[in-house]
Amino acid sequence: AQSVAQPEDQVNVAEGNPLTVKCTYSVSGNPYLFWYVQYPNRGLQFLLKYITGDNLVKGSYGFEAEFNKSQTSFHLKKPSALVSDSALYFCAVRDRAGANNLFFGTGTRLTVIP
Amino acid sequence: DGGITQSPKYLFRKEGQNVTLSCEQNLNHDAMYWYRQDPGQGLRLIYYSQIVNDFQKGDIAEGYSVSREKKESFPLTVTSAQKNPTAFYLCASNPEAGELFFGEGSRLTVL
Repeated sequence: AQSVAQPEDQVNVAEGNPLTVKCTYSVSGNPYLFWYVQYPNRGLQFLLKYITGDNLVKGSYGFEAEFNKSQTSFHLKKPSALVSDSALYFCAVRDRAGANNLFFGTGTRLTVIP
Repeated sequence: DGGITQSPKYLFRKEGQNVTLSCEQNLNHDAMYWYRQDPGQGLRLIYYSQIVNDFQKGDIAEGYSVSREKKESFPLTVTSAQKNPTAFYLCASNPEAGELFFGEGSRLTVL
């Protein structure tokens, strides 16, 4: 069975500091991994994905994520946080051998403090 | 512009009433999905459709129904059998094995 864990419900970081939002996953085969961001009362926006290739994936708005197969993790990172990055972040996974839909984590609320 | 349109954005319902949420996409995607979002629970899959005239139950299908008569449209009906329908509902679509594209959501409140 596929699953995704986001161990932190809330992450606070000062503006200008680096940020990390954690994600670990469990799949039976090789994973497709995704990060999405959600602003209040809005749909989810795609940030980045890992399919294959380099373990460091670069995405929208200066975000990047590092795929670590041995630790089954896919943490989201940004070198310098902006106040406008404050939002709800979701990690998602699809088993390559599975159906087309994604399994989502419970989300992490990021607050960037000015 | 290509995208997914959900309507209405806000909807109020009395107990015992059925309501239908609209989802239309012009991205030419075969697959479409309905998710329910509750605080602290992430997104849970209600129904999905891989192709026209075919759909499958997700993890929380009880009290919901869908149809897929056209590629562009995947409406969700919240029936009176759904015991706790107040939630934020998200429609999505994707090309095969690609990332999901989401609509802006519909917030249903039962009075």
